[in-house]
Order: sequence, then C-alpha cells, then structure tokens
Amino acid sequence: DADVTQTPRNRITKTGKRIMLECSQTKGHDRMYWYRQDPGLGLRLIYYSFDVKDINKGEISDGYSVSRQAQAKFSLSLESAIPNQTALYFCATSDFWQSTDTQYFGPGTRLTVL
Amino acid sequence: GDSVTQMEGPVTLSEEAFLTINCTYTATGYPSLFWYVQYPGEGLQLLLKATKADDKGSNKGFEATYRKETTSFHLEKGSVQVSDSAVYFCALSVNAGGTSYGKLTFGQGTILTVHP
Repeated sequence: DADVTQTPRNRITKTGKRIMLECSQTKGHDRMYWYRQDPGLGLRLIYYSFDVKDINKGEISDGYSVSRQAQAKFSLSLESAIPNQTALYFCATSDFWQSTDTQYFGPGTRLTVL
Repeated sequence: GDSVTQMEGPVTLSEEAFLTINCTYTATGYPSLFWYVQYPGEGLQLLLKATKADDKGSNKGFEATYRKETTSFHLEKGSVQVSDSAVYFCALSVNAGGTSYGKLTFGQGTILTVHP
C-alpha cells in the first residue's frame, strides 16, 4: 500500500461548491503539506502543519482552509470553488527528526472547477 | 525571498545523449538542495539531494553538485534512457542555525522527453 494516499484522485465540480480533498499517511511523519501544481509554475505551498496543533499558511492560502484531524490526516478545503483553482493538488509529508527536509508526495488530486 | 530558477523547457533528447538541466537559487540561511522527478500520472519523488556546499548528490545515474560560489545545482546524466522521460524539479529548503524550517521552494519544472 502507498505511504501517502489522496482522495479523490479526480474531481470535477462547479463554481461556488464546497469541496474537500483528503490526505492520509502511514509513514508516521509529523509534518504534512498541501501544494498545488500549475503548468509552468512548479509547485506552490498552500498550507503546512508541523504537528496536529500547528497549522501555517503558505504562499497561496487565500480561498483555502485546512484541518489536521490526526497526525496521519490532513484535509484541504475549498470553501467556494472558483475556476482558477483548477489544478493538480499534492499532499506531502516529512519527518522532523530526519532533519534533511526530504518530502514524500502522494499521487495527487486533479481538480477541475467549471 | 528564497527562489529557484530552472532552465526553460521542454528538453527533447535522443536515447544515450548527455543531459544537463540548469538550476540556480537565491536563499537566506544555509539551504539544502534537491532534485525531484515526476513521472507521468504520478506524484513527485526524490531523485537526489545535497545538504552542504561541494556535496554531490547521485542516484540512478543522475548527479548534481552543490556549488555555493555560483549558487547552482545543475542536474546531469551521461546517457539518458526513454524511461527518464519525466518532469524534473529543482528545490531548496532553508536551514538556519541547524534548525530546519522544513518547507520546500520549487523551481517551475523542466519537461524531459527522450526518444528512442
């Protein structure tokens, strides 16, 4: 089984709808991240969490919110989806005790907002 | 702020050709440097890394050397294969005083296509 899983893998929704993307990990890592990928822009950090009680905004957090329900689960919500949020979304994890900042990525969720 | 700049793509090569993908960075503190690879339909996976100046990271025939004087971390491979076709991302993470911030800053990615 994959260490970092994301659900759903694909989602098509309409403008104004609320949508939640979920991420689960079995690596036992304390840190989790949400990124979005757009062509030609690389990956940009939306939110990150260093433990269950620590949530931080990344560079593009407007229009998004997150919830760290447990060490292993980190959800990303779009409260009112808009078309420019159409992108590929990745969850990632890392382990503070490794100290080399290697992140481990899920397979991604392709979101289309019509 | 911290940033990573990669060479413009896409890059198209024939099998067994030499590959270079340029990466330069700007950062405060003492960055660790990474190359991640994304195969079609998959998430990113770490290809190689270097944590201090003059370190060389290597994996699967790929190499990159951390050059502090030129703020570069160019990816090279002597003989590419069709299976190397993917998107390659250069990234950095800034450490300060030995404490890792744990956040990656990515370049825009370079698409590599290798033809038989």
